[in-house]
Amino acid sequence: GAVVSQHPSWVICKSGTSVKIECRSLDFQATTMFWYRQFPKQSLMLMATSNEGSKATYEQGVEKDKFLINHASLTLSTLTVTSAHPEDSSFYICSARAGPNLNYEQYFGPGTRLTVT
Amino acid sequence: AQTVTQSQPEMSVQEAETVTLSCTYDTSESNYYLFWYKQPPSRQMILVIRQEAYKQQNATENRFSVNFQKAAKSFSLKISDSQLGDTAMYFCAFRAGTALIFGKGTTLSVSS
Repeated sequence: GAVVSQHPSWVICKSGTSVKIECRSLDFQATTMFWYRQFPKQSLMLMATSNEGSKATYEQGVEKDKFLINHASLTLSTLTVTSAHPEDSSFYICSARAGPNLNYEQYFGPGTRLTVT
Repeated sequence: AQTVTQSQPEMSVQEAETVTLSCTYDTSESNYYLFWYKQPPSRQMILVIRQEAYKQQNATENRFSVNFQKAAKSFSLKISDSQLGDTAMYFCAFRAGTALIFGKGTTLSVSS
């Protein structure tokens, strides 16, 4: 149990276009989901925290107009990278926070590799 | 602000040997959780072990155990009987509220 999926797993887009990444908790409800960015051989950097039905909270230095986060249901959060540029190329990981029955544990998706050309 | 420090960027160990990964953290919180996550080449984050700060007993999961020293704010991970499949990047993480704060990671290589 406690599986989180991400789609797509790998995406290539052209500079200036937008790309949407989906994060789903498959067998539990998640009122809170998190989006991380990871560069090769580096740690996970928290970008934003999204709560179902409310606006996301962005970490300092993360452009909210560039990285649009929507958490419309208890099982789905989306990250849209708008007007993507090559420097946005990275590995994006989501995680979903389970409820008390799963000790409020965070479960991670498999990640999405974004390449902007 | 909470910080997590992993001072060993890379470590290597032979199969069947024991290795210890170091982690220190800084916080003024009294109630928090500590974790070790493993990220293999697939890049899927896998929870290895968790420790509640209020518990004095060190957590253990099969070959993985921690040495939690609350006063020293130290949380090291010991891997016994290392296996080739343990090769991965290991992250120490801290949680006081909802968000996890990660250290920079230690790349562990297990060789035969």
